[in-house]
Amino acid sequence: QSALTQPASVSESPGQSITISCSGTSSDVGGYNHVSWYQQHPGKAPKLMIYDVNNRPSGVSYRFSGSKSGNTASLTISGLQDEDEADYYCSSYTSSNTYVFGTGTKVAVL
Amino acid sequence: QVQLVQSGTEVKKPGASVKASCKVSGDTFSGNHIHWVRQAPGQGLEWMGLINAANGGTSYAQKFQGRVSMTKATSTSTVYMELTSLTSEDTAVYYCAREPSGTYNCDKWGQGTLVTVSS
Repeated sequence: QSALTQPASVSESPGQSITISCSGTSSDVGGYNHVSWYQQHPGKAPKLMIYDVNNRPSGVSYRFSGSKSGNTASLTISGLQDEDEADYYCSSYTSSNTYVFGTGTKVAVL
Repeated sequence: QVQLVQSGTEVKKPGASVKASCKVSGDTFSGNHIHWVRQAPGQGLEWMGLINAANGGTSYAQKFQGRVSMTKATSTSTVYMELTSLTSEDTAVYYCAREPSGTYNCDKWGQGTLVTVSS
């Protein structure tokens, strides 16, 4: 199972919006609505930000939203804040009853 | 408040095995799947596998098939991950994470266990 493809880095100024893509196949992202997004700050454990494509866990800011089209899922962060600077990973359930993570995207707030 | 508390740092020699633990508290143990995810230094997250805490059923990433084993001890609400035939490429932080059964996402994570493989 190959890792899902994400851009290596995205940067934007505070207050702006960014979108991170997560490209897979019909055996993972395209085949199931079980795509999650995780935020990871340096030296910390990942934190769930979005589950089942577009659902936010309790306590996660409304500025985070998710979507999916075909084999590509996306995470959008609106109103970018300094605290959003972190690594972001997508994850998907697969047809093999396994999971796969994306390659990860480093978000920089300029 | 659900908590996952992992065992401490390990240093192993090439060819050895490591067994990390993950103790779950604050929730019904059997209502969860426990995933193991690793992260090599400066690298991304890599899914290794999961264990169904209710019945012990497992699913492993193909990459680790034959080299990883995940088990549970219901009496202590603890899950174990054993990785054998270690090489330097297994040097990583190993995380356990809780998935409420059937939800397909990991909402709580342990603090991580650093495993260093060095001769």
